[in-house]
Amino acid sequence: KQEVTQIPAALSVPEGENLVLNCSFTDSAIYNLQWFRQDPGKGLTSLLLIQSSQREQTSGRLNASLDKSSGRSTLYIAASQPGDSATYLCAPGSGNTGKLIFGQGTTLQVKP
Amino acid sequence: SAVISQKPSRDICQRGTSLTIQCQVDSQVTMMFWYRQQPGQSLTLIATANQGSEATYESGFVIDKFPISRPNLTFSTLTVSNMSPEDSSIYLCSVEKGSTDTQYFGPGTRLTVL
Repeated sequence: KQEVTQIPAALSVPEGENLVLNCSFTDSAIYNLQWFRQDPGKGLTSLLLIQSSQREQTSGRLNASLDKSSGRSTLYIAASQPGDSATYLCAPGSGNTGKLIFGQGTTLQVKP
Repeated sequence: SAVISQKPSRDICQRGTSLTIQCQVDSQVTMMFWYRQQPGQSLTLIATANQGSEATYESGFVIDKFPISRPNLTFSTLTVSNMSPEDSSIYLCSVEKGSTDTQYFGPGTRLTVL
């Protein structure tokens, strides 16, 4: 059974800092891995998707890496802004079922 | 991408009643998913709903409690039956779309059961 752990659970940083969010998963037989953002009381916004054959994906100030063999993914946020404040969720996907298993998330606060 | 809407956005219900949540997508999709997010928790998959077949439920979720309909490729409903306060959660639908199988989520339905 896939288990997903995200560290840290919460993070507070001053504006402008570069930061790394960590995600680990127990079953390396994943199809892909998605990172999502969730604002309080809202749905999820897809940030990045990494296929199992890829090592990283970039979108703007975000870069996600994947080390499938060690069961790890990181989300790097460059030059953080107050608007980045949200909960970030990591979700590996299993094969053609489309199922996503979510971690508990990292709640990020970026202070002006 | 996909644009997904859910109705209602929130509701407060009495114990023992049922609520049906609607999920509408702006384009045809094969796979739709229903998730539950309990207070302070992450998301848990309830079931997968494919058009033309019975929904597939995850361990711990049963059809009698969470009946699902998928009448066409752009619409699905989830009913929360015989509700108790423990059913108070955010219920989200999602769809898988595109060559990369990216999942997109609706805004969620916040349910409070008194």
